[in-house]
Amino acid sequence: DMQLTQSPSFLSASVGDRVTITCRASQGISSYLAWYQQKPGKAPKLLIHTASTLQSGVPPRFSGSGSGTEFTLTISSLQPEDFATYYCQQLNSYPLTFGGGTKVEIK
Amino acid sequence: DVQLLESGGLLVPPGGSLRLSCAASGFIFSNSAMTWVRQAPGKGLEWVSTITGSGSHTYYTDSVKGRFTISRDNSRNTLYLQMNSLGADDTAVYYCTKMGGDFSGDSWGQGTLVTVSS
Repeated sequence: DMQLTQSPSFLSASVGDRVTITCRASQGISSYLAWYQQKPGKAPKLLIHTASTLQSGVPPRFSGSGSGTEFTLTISSLQPEDFATYYCQQLNSYPLTFGGGTKVEIK
Repeated sequence: DVQLLESGGLLVPPGGSLRLSCAASGFIFSNSAMTWVRQAPGKGLEWVSTITGSGSHTYYTDSVKGRFTISRDNSRNTLYLQMNSLGADDTAVYYCTKMGGDFSGDSWGQGTLVTVSS
């Protein structure tokens, strides 16, 4: 099965920081990757699909890039509401695996 | 607006069964593949099962194959997950998700908690 490895699993950052999260796939998945944000006690929210397409209503400070096996989610200027856990998910083949998550906390 | 409302989560003993439901509205249900995703307490997200819009194709993670069955009633705009032979590892919040054109989860329900314990 496909494995997705997210790094880092935890990061501490300040408001205004540029933040980058990486997701590596064990096999090539073209651009079939999505990014989600989850806040405590809430359902995940889709941020990015097809690796780099911003979901409607998501602020443009979020961006995604990559193809094949290496992908990144970037938050250009971290805002207080962005402190959350972020997950990648591959949509290339079943099972539709998630990465282990990256928790972004306030420094 | 898309709305997904899960129900059916309960405390059940090991070996028990449970059926989750997800009532959908705000979109053409039969046009959308649907997925169940679960999250054990304090853990990450785990994809569980997907069903195509017509219901003709279903997919499962290995750990639930033979125990869980995903189904849908397009006349009632409802998604189901029948769960049998439940074990402690099945304890989780179960989310119903609508899949977009690229199969990403573009809408999520609020989740329903399943607890397997004696």
